[in-house]
Amino acid sequence: DTGVSQNPRHKITKRGQNVTFRCDPISEHNRLYWYRQTLGQGPEFLTYFQNEAQLEKSRLLSDRFSAERPKGSFSTLEIQRTEQGDSAMYLCASSTDLESGAGELFFGEGSRLTVL
Amino acid sequence: AQSVAQPEDQVNVAEGNPLTVKCTYSVSGNPYLFWYVQYPNRGLQFLLKYITGDNLVKGSYGFEAEFNKSQTSFHLKKPSALVSDSALYFCAVRRYNTDKLIFGTGTRLQVFP
Repeated sequence: DTGVSQNPRHKITKRGQNVTFRCDPISEHNRLYWYRQTLGQGPEFLTYFQNEAQLEKSRLLSDRFSAERPKGSFSTLEIQRTEQGDSAMYLCASSTDLESGAGELFFGEGSRLTVL
Repeated sequence: AQSVAQPEDQVNVAEGNPLTVKCTYSVSGNPYLFWYVQYPNRGLQFLLKYITGDNLVKGSYGFEAEFNKSQTSFHLKKPSALVSDSALYFCAVRRYNTDKLIFGTGTRLQVFP
């Protein structure tokens, strides 16, 4: 399968613990995005990378959240000191570098976080 | 700022009937518009996009969408609905020459046999 891969698919943690999610994009895609989706809502933009550079970060992303893409391939999203409000589906997507932003995003199946 | 509105939380249609899922957008400059579908416990799947040119765009699974600049709308349509089309549909917009894709809140499509 050469689609976007996310791990783990499900994570249950206690409040205050740290969690990390991994995303492996489609190999030839140089753009990688993280979104968060809660029940009944559309995906909410968190951050995105072009190669290893993090080019934009949502103002909604608190300093407990950090994302990296160290070699321009896979990416990690870490949430420190988790809170119950962090419970959500975390979606990763990748795309090619089409001119002017015309490229569609290809999404993984998501990592569901439950904070107890 | 850019935003997307999907005014209907749910659309119900009988199998074989035409369906429409509505979307309106707000963006400065030229928009790029997208439709995605999400099945239970699955990621979002790309259906179609409008970039430029013909206002009627065709996509996967027999879906099409019509871009209407004057009404700032991009409604999703299908001439004959299938029960298997039942899913959550998201409209999304991106402003020209930017990278952030903004999604609507989604519309649940229920097709009854």
